[in-house]
Amino acid sequence: AQSVSQHNHHVILSEAASLELGCNYSYGGTVNLFWYVQYPGQHLQLLLKYFSGDPLVKGIKGFEAEFIKSKFSFNLRKPSVQWSDTAEYFCAVNGNAAGNKLTFGGGTRVLVKP
Amino acid sequence: KAGVTQTPRYLIKTRGQQVTLSCSPISGHRSVSWYQQTPGQGLQFLFEYFSETQRNKGNFPGRFSGRQFSNSRSEMNVSTLELGDSALYLCASSPAGSGKDGYTFGSGTRLTVV
Repeated sequence: AQSVSQHNHHVILSEAASLELGCNYSYGGTVNLFWYVQYPGQHLQLLLKYFSGDPLVKGIKGFEAEFIKSKFSFNLRKPSVQWSDTAEYFCAVNGNAAGNKLTFGGGTRVLVKP
Repeated sequence: KAGVTQTPRYLIKTRGQQVTLSCSPISGHRSVSWYQQTPGQGLQFLFEYFSETQRNKGNFPGRFSGRQFSNSRSEMNVSTLELGDSALYLCASSPAGSGKDGYTFGSGTRLTVV
């Protein structure tokens, strides 16, 4: 069975600080990996995805993530956060054989102080 | 391009009743998935429909069911409601359901069971 672990439940940082959110997954086969963001009062939005090729993927709003197969990790990064990045971030995995069945991590709430 | 539309936005039901939630995917999307979001359990996969067939199912009791119509619209039904069914129910659509698609989520239906 697939599982996803996000290490931090809450992160508080100041504007212009760098952000890195950890994500580890457990799955025996080839995976597709996603990061979603949920801004306060809004629906889930796709930040970026990885399914093959360059393990460093760039997404919207200056976010990027690196897939490290040997570590079963897909960490999200942003060099300099803004107050508007305050949101909850979810890592998700979809095993290739599973069709459309996303397994989500527990989420990380990020608060950016102005 | 219209997004994923879920109706109703809010529902209050009494224990023991049943409820039907509706999801209209993005035009042209054939895969519709349903998720339950709660503070305690996070985002959990309910089921996925593709071309009117249930393709994947999560670990929820049989009280939770769904269907998909020929126009790709989907409904989910919960019978004999329990207090623990109170949650935000999210629908996500994707074009073909290859597992590599970015899924587009709706704003959800917030169900409160009293």
